[in-house]
Amino acid sequence: SQTIHQWPATLVQPVGSPLSLECTVEGTSNPNLYWYRQAAGRGLQLLFYSVGIGQISSEVPQNLSASRPQDRQFILSSKKLLLSDSGFYLCASRGSGELFFGEGSRLTVL
Amino acid sequence: GENVEQHPSTLSVQEGDSAVIKCTYSDSASNYFPWYKQELGKRPQLIIDIRSNVGEKKDQRIAVTLNKTAKHFSLHITETQPEDSAVYFCAASGDTGFQKLVFGTGTRLLVSP
Repeated sequence: SQTIHQWPATLVQPVGSPLSLECTVEGTSNPNLYWYRQAAGRGLQLLFYSVGIGQISSEVPQNLSASRPQDRQFILSSKKLLLSDSGFYLCASRGSGELFFGEGSRLTVL
Repeated sequence: GENVEQHPSTLSVQEGDSAVIKCTYSDSASNYFPWYKQELGKRPQLIIDIRSNVGEKKDQRIAVTLNKTAKHFSLHITETQPEDSAVYFCAASGDTGFQKLVFGTGTRLLVSP
């Protein structure tokens, strides 16, 4: 089965600072990769998805961006964080059916 | 695109009771319906899923039913235990990997001893 590594696990950043969250996947090749965000006590909001290297689709306009430099690597970035960017960020991978989630990165923007 | 509605948003039951969570979807082309359980501070994890060629699926105390005509599916948990307390999410999509899963808004289940 797939294993998804996500880091950092937690981070506290000031408003206006940059962000980089990284995700790598093991146990599968050419997966479809996703970034979800979950605000406190809320549901799963799809931010970006990728069907291959360099192919990124954005679901929600915002100050975040994503990149996929390698088949099993997915990066979420921001040049300037907003307070509203706080949340629990989940990387996910999907092969033929099941969607697997990484352990998440909890971001607090102060 | 697909839209998934889930209810109730919160559900409180006594230990040993049954719990039912219901979801409806809008896209008749969807044919894959998973359910995820998310414990506090952790990632969602798949607990059961069903495909459109099946009307019901069971795994011990958990079952899922699907009504394609009415476009709704439900999660049934029998003999609930305190460790079943969590947030449950339903989702719907096509069955091929490139299709996005659209999630419901979640149900917070609380099982009291």
